[in-house]
Amino acid sequence: AQKITQTQPGMFVQEKEAVTLDCTYDTSDPSYGLFWYKQPSSGEMIFLIYQGSYDQQNATEGRYSLNFQKARKSANLVISASQLGDSAMYFCAMREQRYGNNRLAFGKGNQVVVIP
Amino acid sequence: DTAVSQTPKYLVTQMGNDKSIKCEQNLGHDTMYWYKQDSKKFLKIMFSYNNKELIINETVPNRFSPKSPDKAHLNLHINSLELGDSAVYFCASSQDGLGLTGAKEKLFFGSGTQLSVL
Repeated sequence: AQKITQTQPGMFVQEKEAVTLDCTYDTSDPSYGLFWYKQPSSGEMIFLIYQGSYDQQNATEGRYSLNFQKARKSANLVISASQLGDSAMYFCAMREQRYGNNRLAFGKGNQVVVIP
Repeated sequence: DTAVSQTPKYLVTQMGNDKSIKCEQNLGHDTMYWYKQDSKKFLKIMFSYNNKELIINETVPNRFSPKSPDKAHLNLHINSLELGDSAVYFCASSQDGLGLTGAKEKLFFGSGTQLSVL
């Protein structure tokens, strides 16, 4: 069963505007971690932000913030003040404690294109 | 200095050949991984090693054999290549793969190896 769901089609966003990328997850493990990665057209995977299941506050890293709604099992990424360099694929990933190892399960990604 | 480096970046080969992809990390991490990204960009874990010991072995054909000579290296050897093996293969590493310790558990990825089987 798919553990991470990213269903938005490709998105176009105007430069300087904010964009929200949806991510829902499925787990029965009370302890887990959520990650977002960016993959630009050059292909490398860049870590953006992390949210732990027990974290009381939403994670923020510069222009990236995570809208964590635990009861809804969603962890949406918000990118504020979009820049042209934000054009990329964005992947949500989850690690569950019960596996006892760092097995990251990835979603299928959201494509974002920032237009000037 | 590159944290996780993998070679080659591009690999074009004929069906039936045997090939290897090398990976090295200079971060002092204990755990290394191989992920496969298919043409639809879906990333799936293949293998994980912690201190040279295999800890994750997903349902991968036994034509794929990882080898970890030391904790800084994890190579991937593929025998009898098939058309369906064409994909981007990513090596990654993390500080500690055996416990959940927050953002420190993030994976550092190599730049990927684009494998094309003709």
